[in-house]
Amino acid sequence: GENVEQHPSTLSVQEGDSAVIKCTYSDSASNYFPWYKQELGKRPQLIIDIRSNVGEKKDQRIAVTLNKTAKHFSLHITETQPEDSAVYFCAAFGGYQKVTFGTGTKLQVIP
Amino acid sequence: GAVVSQHPSWVICKSGTSVKIECRSLDFQATTMFWYRQFPKQSLMLMATSNEGSKATYEQGVEKDKFLINHASLTLSTLTVTSAHPEDSSFYICSARPPSGGYNEQFFGPGTRLTVL
Repeated sequence: GENVEQHPSTLSVQEGDSAVIKCTYSDSASNYFPWYKQELGKRPQLIIDIRSNVGEKKDQRIAVTLNKTAKHFSLHITETQPEDSAVYFCAAFGGYQKVTFGTGTKLQVIP
Repeated sequence: GAVVSQHPSWVICKSGTSVKIECRSLDFQATTMFWYRQFPKQSLMLMATSNEGSKATYEQGVEKDKFLINHASLTLSTLTVTSAHPEDSSFYICSARPPSGGYNEQFFGPGTRLTVL
């Protein structure tokens, strides 16, 4: 089955700096890679996603890159703000609707 | 965007009792719903995939007789935790996928926190 690894598990950055979270996956059939933000006790919220036929996608301060050959994708947050503090999960969707989540990264933005 | 609700938002029950959690898609029809479990400070673990009108597909290691899933309509799926024990205490989250949803899009419910005493 699919295995998704996510690094780092915790990340602290100063407000205004950039944050990068990386994920690797094992199943070459995976074709959709969303990123979710989850605040304490709340549901995951989709913040950006990328499909396997695209290498990069950007939405304001958030961007995602995908390297299909190396089987890894990354989340980039620029000009971080305190409200960006949360746990971020990557996910990989493969065949038969199966989805595997990464282990999560706790991001802390220090004012 | 699409809205998915869950009920109840939290529940406390005694060991040995059964608990039913409802997941509803409010403004779209969901042919597929997913049930996840999330332990504190851990990731979401897919428990089962629920397709309307058919039996749910359970992930390896998930006891189908303990976690009963019923997807009776295009807007409702239920998860029943039977004979709950303290180790079943967790945050249960459902998600729903619209039939016309692009790619593997899914919308999450707010979650149900189950505490078994």
